[in-house]
Amino acid sequence: GAVVSQHPSRVICKSGTSVKIECRSLDFQATTMFWYRQFPKKSLMLMATSNEGSKATYEQGVEKDKFLINHASLTLSTLTVTSAHPEDSSFYICSAISGRATGELFFGEGSRLTVL
Amino acid sequence: GENVEQHPSTLSVQEGDSAVIKCTYSDSASNYFPWYKQELGKGPQLIIDIRSNVGEKKDQRIAVTLNKTAKHFSLHITETQPEDSAVYFCAAKSGTASKLTFGTGTRLQVTL
Repeated sequence: GAVVSQHPSRVICKSGTSVKIECRSLDFQATTMFWYRQFPKKSLMLMATSNEGSKATYEQGVEKDKFLINHASLTLSTLTVTSAHPEDSSFYICSAISGRATGELFFGEGSRLTVL
Repeated sequence: GENVEQHPSTLSVQEGDSAVIKCTYSDSASNYFPWYKQELGKGPQLIIDIRSNVGEKKDQRIAVTLNKTAKHFSLHITETQPEDSAVYFCAAKSGTASKLTFGTGTRLQVTL
């Protein structure tokens, strides 16, 4: 299947700092990427839809000023958690729609954020 | 919007037995139904999917069935192995939306 790479896989930061997570589609161009958050033993919660060259669309209840999303190219979307607090600690996962006409969705390996 | 329910939440089977996970969806416009396997600490991996123009799809030990009338679809894993142990998520998407709606997940444990 298509490859989606996410970096870093783990990050620990202090409260008040900002953290950037990158999501890359390695072997296809992705005009649309998605960012999810997953709590322990829970399902994936869609945070926002990232569209190349335009503003992201955020789901209800997700603070767009706190979770900054940039999709500057067809292979890269970034999620920046600004002024992180312990409650932002979570598993963040990106996904991208494959370039195939069938439009399968492939996920990155996830990034575990721990805010101290 | 779409609502996807998934059962059971946990499933324990002995190695070699079959496992079945069921999902129902609410939006009759949904036409794409993927299944994902998530191992601990990793992102979900697409294992099989089905579209609304077919009723069944098989790939080696895994198969998915779809009943559009009843709005439910199921994942079947035969001859289970310990490496099948993971959390499985079903999902649904309609042709007019690009985002998936996920089920709540099933934790499958295959015991020796």
